[in-house]
Amino acid sequence: EVQLVESGGDLVQPGGSLRLSCAASGFTYSNLWLHWVRQAPGKGLEWVANIKFDGSEKYYVDSVRGRFTISRDSSKDLLSLQMNSLRVEDTAVYYCVRGSGWIFDHWGQGIRVTVSS
Amino acid sequence: DIVMSQSPDSLAVSLGERATINCRSSRSVLASSNNKNFLSWFQQKPGQPPKLLISRASTRESGVPDRFSGSGSGTDFTLTISSLQAEDVAVYYCQQYYGAPITFGQGTRLEIK
Repeated sequence: EVQLVESGGDLVQPGGSLRLSCAASGFTYSNLWLHWVRQAPGKGLEWVANIKFDGSEKYYVDSVRGRFTISRDSSKDLLSLQMNSLRVEDTAVYYCVRGSGWIFDHWGQGIRVTVSS
Repeated sequence: DIVMSQSPDSLAVSLGERATINCRSSRSVLASSNNKNFLSWFQQKPGQPPKLLISRASTRESGVPDRFSGSGSGTDFTLTISSLQAEDVAVYYCQQYYGAPITFGQGTRLEIK
């Protein structure tokens, strides 16, 4: 069974940093992508970033490029999102998503990030 | 960026009746390489993560009831629920994965009339 479990969410001040993690299990990574998608309170879905299974390709939405870094530790089956220079508008539930290619077929339960002074 | 626009924003349908949600992309999401539309539909119920219903515009995911169907090509797509059930109350999103950034429609809230 595919499982994606996010952790690392917290309340952080504007300008601060946070690292989200996603523990993945129940599948092998070959030919897959992993994605982060976020949802601000009461709002719609926004794709944030993705990484190819071998780490060779990464993409970001413009609003986080240069501040967020997606990475994968293959030895631990762990996906990470390092978030720096956080802004109030980064407040959201962050979902870890497995992609069969870019088809989002499995989602984690999400982790809440609040950026506030 | 490809902008995805859904209509309507909200919809109320009687139980057993048909529900139709439309999605339009600002550019074609039809890949000439394989003649596939890079378009998915998701269902999100309160307090839950989204669930993939349909990919490639019309391919229903395993376990998704056959009352859900997707159609369309290029820039115009439709999600149809043929006979609305109480458990279908949710917000529905379309999404294009033709290119980065991957983008979603704003969502359509479906309720029971």
